[in-house]
Amino acid sequence: GDSVTQMEGPVTLSEEAFLTINCTYTATGYPSLFWYVQYPGEGLQLLLKATKADDKGSNKGFEATYRKETTSFHLEKGSVQVSDSAVYFCAFTNSGGSNYKLTFGKGTLLTVNP
Amino acid sequence: DVKVTQSSRYLVKRTGEKVFLECVQDMDHENMFWYRQDPGLGLRLIYFSYDVKMKEKGDIPEGYSVSREKKERFSLILESASTNQTSMYLCASSSTVPSNQPQHFGDGTRLSIL
Repeated sequence: GDSVTQMEGPVTLSEEAFLTINCTYTATGYPSLFWYVQYPGEGLQLLLKATKADDKGSNKGFEATYRKETTSFHLEKGSVQVSDSAVYFCAFTNSGGSNYKLTFGKGTLLTVNP
Repeated sequence: DVKVTQSSRYLVKRTGEKVFLECVQDMDHENMFWYRQDPGLGLRLIYFSYDVKMKEKGDIPEGYSVSREKKERFSLILESASTNQTSMYLCASSSTVPSNQPQHFGDGTRLSIL
């Protein structure tokens, strides 16, 4: 069945370090891929998205490329800030099934220290 | 910007009470969702609705019901609250067209059942 596997945390980095959070998916059909971010005490916010193979989503210095051949959508940022400390969720919707349901990974907690 | 508003940020109720969690969205979205979020378990879908008066069970519907009398409002009902329903509850909405749209989340309701 549909599933998302993302890097288990927690991840702890120093400010200005490079960030990668790995995400792979298993889906039938043609999924659209998303990264969501959840800051402490808040709901989820859409961070970026990609709707077809080789698309690159980007926002706030974060990037992720839709790699169909490796079924991956890894999140990267070149230089993290303390304000990036949050939980990050990889997710997809699947046109092969119910195309309005999201399948989520379990989330990765990122802590950035000054 | 899409706005999804949950009626309470924090709620404390007693075992056996009937509890209503309300969610309103302002973007005329067809789809609305209720999730619960628990440490180590990620987000789990309780119920969703793809149209007024329509509902479908998600992954963990037991002990919950929902109501969607108007397009903009989706209510989650705990018929007889139990301590194992203490959790963070998140509401989301999305558009059906075009397909594979992201979901937009509210800030969440942290519910404690004593």
